[in-house]
Amino acid sequence: KQEVTQIPAALSVPEGENLVLNCSFTDSAIYNLQWFRQDPGKGLTSLLLIQSSQREQTSGRLNASLDKSSGRSTLYIAASQPGDSATYLCAVPLGGSNYKLTFGKGTLLTVNP
Amino acid sequence: DTGVSQDPRHKITKRGQNVTFRCDPISEHNRLYWYRQTLGQGPEFLTYFQNEAQLEKSRLLSDRFSAERPKGSFSTLEIQRTEQGDSAMYLCASSLVLAGDHEQYFGPGTRLTVT
Repeated sequence: KQEVTQIPAALSVPEGENLVLNCSFTDSAIYNLQWFRQDPGKGLTSLLLIQSSQREQTSGRLNASLDKSSGRSTLYIAASQPGDSATYLCAVPLGGSNYKLTFGKGTLLTVNP
Repeated sequence: DTGVSQDPRHKITKRGQNVTFRCDPISEHNRLYWYRQTLGQGPEFLTYFQNEAQLEKSRLLSDRFSAERPKGSFSTLEIQRTEQGDSAMYLCASSLVLAGDHEQYFGPGTRLTVT
């Protein structure tokens, strides 16, 4: 059974700081890994998807890396802004045909002005 | 492209009542997933469809829950005889299985409160 862990559970930083969120998973037979953002009471917004054959993906100030063999991914946020405050979730589908996602509990990020 | 939509956004019901939620996926997507999220937790898989066929159901989906996707377009999730433990955010996602990445796109969710 796939288990996904995210550390830290919560993080508070001053505006402008660079930060790293961590995600680990127990079964390395993943098809890809997705990072999502969730604002309070809202749905999920996909931020980045990394295929299992890739090492990293970048979108604007966000960079996600994947080390499949060690079961780890990181989400790097550069020059954080108060608007980045949200919960960040990582999710993985196991290889196979259903691609159902297993999620971590998320990291609650607060960026203080 | 209007993205994934869900209706209603919020539902308050009394214990024992039946409720039905609707999800409209991105129009060309052939996969549709339902997840449930409780406070402080990540979403958990409930069931998924490929076109109109329901291919897998989680053990979380008791026999009070039923989902359909007639004609492979929108989907409905019905909960019969609601219980307080059913209070959660119900999320729908869709993807295109023919695409190489199988990226899932989520809707805004339906928040259910059972009183």
